[in-house]
Amino acid sequence: GIQVEQSPPDLILQEGANSTLRCNFSDSVNNLQWFHQNPWGQLINLFYIPSGTKQNGRLSATTVATERYSLLYISSSQTTDSGVYFCAVTGGTSYGKLTFGQGTILTVHP
Amino acid sequence: GAGVSQSPSNKVTEKGKDVELRCDPISGHTALYWYRQSLGQGLEFLIYFQGNSAPDKSGLPSDRFSAERTGGSVSTLTIQRTQQEDSAVYLCASSYRTGGFGGELFFGEGSRLTVL
Repeated sequence: GIQVEQSPPDLILQEGANSTLRCNFSDSVNNLQWFHQNPWGQLINLFYIPSGTKQNGRLSATTVATERYSLLYISSSQTTDSGVYFCAVTGGTSYGKLTFGQGTILTVHP
Repeated sequence: GAGVSQSPSNKVTEKGKDVELRCDPISGHTALYWYRQSLGQGLEFLIYFQGNSAPDKSGLPSDRFSAERTGGSVSTLTIQRTQQEDSAVYLCASSYRTGGFGGELFFGEGSRLTVL
């Protein structure tokens, strides 16, 4: 099946800093989503982005499907951005099920 | 409802007992997915429904696990003879499929299962 690798595994920032999270995948995809898992375990949809670029406030994402990677940008980070960021993809004949990466644990200090 | 609803939110059971977890998807969503997340781990796919049928059950870890979906809506995940390694958060998601590859998935808040 399709493989998803996220980097870095852990990231520690001071409030106000910018960061870039990366997601590499092993095959062509027809769905890619970024999620934020908050400290209560809820998965929050950030972006549905199988290709192209999207922006939502301080967050933006870019997927270059031909080169099999996606990037999530967080600008002017806040303590509430802390949590785990997951990239998940659907590829091939996977019937739409998302395969998740292992996540990036982000900690933002005040 | 507005989002995916799961119940119970927390379940503590004794080893060997059966448990049922319920998922009510977003109205109109045709596809429904069950995932499991063990402590500190990523998300593990269990089963996927399109309507009431399950084209992909490949993630069910053993024959103690089963799931059904009725009326193209509510789904129940049943774990028989629970074991301590079944302790995890069970997450349900739904999507509106267009074509063959699903759409954006939306997750519920999960059911946290603890097996003593």
